[in-house]
Amino acid sequence: EVQLVQSGAEVKKPGESLKISCEASGDSRANYWIGWVRQMPGKGLEWMGLSYFFGSDIRYSPPFQGQVVISVDKSRTTSYLQWNSLKASDTAIYYCARQQNYVIDSWGQGTQVTVSS
Amino acid sequence: QSALTQPASVSGSPGQSITISCTGTTSDVGGYNLVSWYQQHPGKAPKFIIYEVSKRPSGISNRFSGSKSGSTASLTISGLQAEDEADYYCFSYTSSDRWVFGGGTQVTVL
Repeated sequence: EVQLVQSGAEVKKPGESLKISCEASGDSRANYWIGWVRQMPGKGLEWMGLSYFFGSDIRYSPPFQGQVVISVDKSRTTSYLQWNSLKASDTAIYYCARQQNYVIDSWGQGTQVTVSS
Repeated sequence: QSALTQPASVSGSPGQSITISCTGTTSDVGGYNLVSWYQQHPGKAPKFIIYEVSKRPSGISNRFSGSKSGSTASLTISGLQAEDEADYYCFSYTSSDRWVFGGGTQVTVL
């Protein structure tokens, strides 16, 4: 069974850059996708996009295209979510999630990102 | 891609059955049998409870069941228990080769 371990909480100022990570372990095949999900304070889940460990395919939900960058390090079975210039509205919990056969079947523990001046 | 439409809240008494709807379009819910459902307790990561409209993963209680009619999927919780109090989200594959969540439904056990 795969385990997804995310990097720790971050506190940043508007305009700063940030890269958070999600390391997968426990499934040596790595033949699956890692998605990213945003949950703003007191709000619902939003699918942001996903990346495939064994290829270069990365897909974004339209609202997040151009706002974040998803990347993957296949050798480390790690997916990353990156911002070049954070805004206060990026304050949220970000979950990584394994997507396999059109389903999210495993979740990371979440990374709290707080953007405040 | 608009979020799928779910009622904001549903409530029921212990032992009762409740149903949560998830309405989309023919480009998502109505076009594929690829709707899944997730349960999220406060402060916790979501948990996978239904996939492919009506299938339960191993370890999930048979009190949870799913169905679909046209572009509306539904999650039914029978024999409602206090531990079922949580937020529930539907999730669907879409024709643009992306995925979309529902807005979420808060379930309250009275």
